[in-house]
Amino acid sequence: DVKVTQSSRYLVKRTGEKVFLECVQDMDHENMFWYRQDPGLGLRLIYFSYDVKMKEKGDIPEGYSVSREKKERFSLILESASTNQTSMYLCASSLLLGLAAEQFFGPGTRLTVL
Amino acid sequence: GENVEQHPSTLSVQEGDSAVIKCTYSDSASNYFPWYKQELGKGPQLIIDIRSNVGEKKDQRIAVTLNKTAKHFSLHITETQPEDSAVYFCAAIGPDGLTFGKGTHLIIQP
Repeated sequence: DVKVTQSSRYLVKRTGEKVFLECVQDMDHENMFWYRQDPGLGLRLIYFSYDVKMKEKGDIPEGYSVSREKKERFSLILESASTNQTSMYLCASSLLLGLAAEQFFGPGTRLTVL
Repeated sequence: GENVEQHPSTLSVQEGDSAVIKCTYSDSASNYFPWYKQELGKGPQLIIDIRSNVGEKKDQRIAVTLNKTAKHFSLHITETQPEDSAVYFCAAIGPDGLTFGKGTHLIIQP
């Protein structure tokens, strides 16, 4: 059973702080993803990684960076948090890109930036 | 890039009735269409999917239909139950990856 875990369920930070969101998957999946979820906007892809130390920008990468030093771990970094980054952040992993690429999601981190 | 439109944004049905959620996509190269269910406080979970070489797929009370010519696909839930209350997302996978619809909040009225 695939398990994707996220380091925090709820996080409150102040404007300008550096924020780390951690995600770990236990199924040796090649691909990992970070999304943000906002009401009325659905899920929007921030970054994804298809291999260790590899990263690709998604649809909304501005204000974010990522790190993948180990296959099982994918970190999302907010270098200087802003109030418009208040959102639900979802991490996902998949074995394959493209066809048959079921993505398994973590429970999400609800980040509030004050 | 791919654009996925999902309707309605909110759907309220009586328990026991059927619910239908519709999605359209823009990229004719898209070939895989998963549906995700997100319960309160949880991440989305895949509930059913369909590939472009199939017109319909059914799994107990859930079915998905695909019309490639019209570029639309639909989720059908029959005999709805309280545990079906959730947000449902459609998605399409094409050359640019996975694109999600904006979600449908399904409410099952007792």
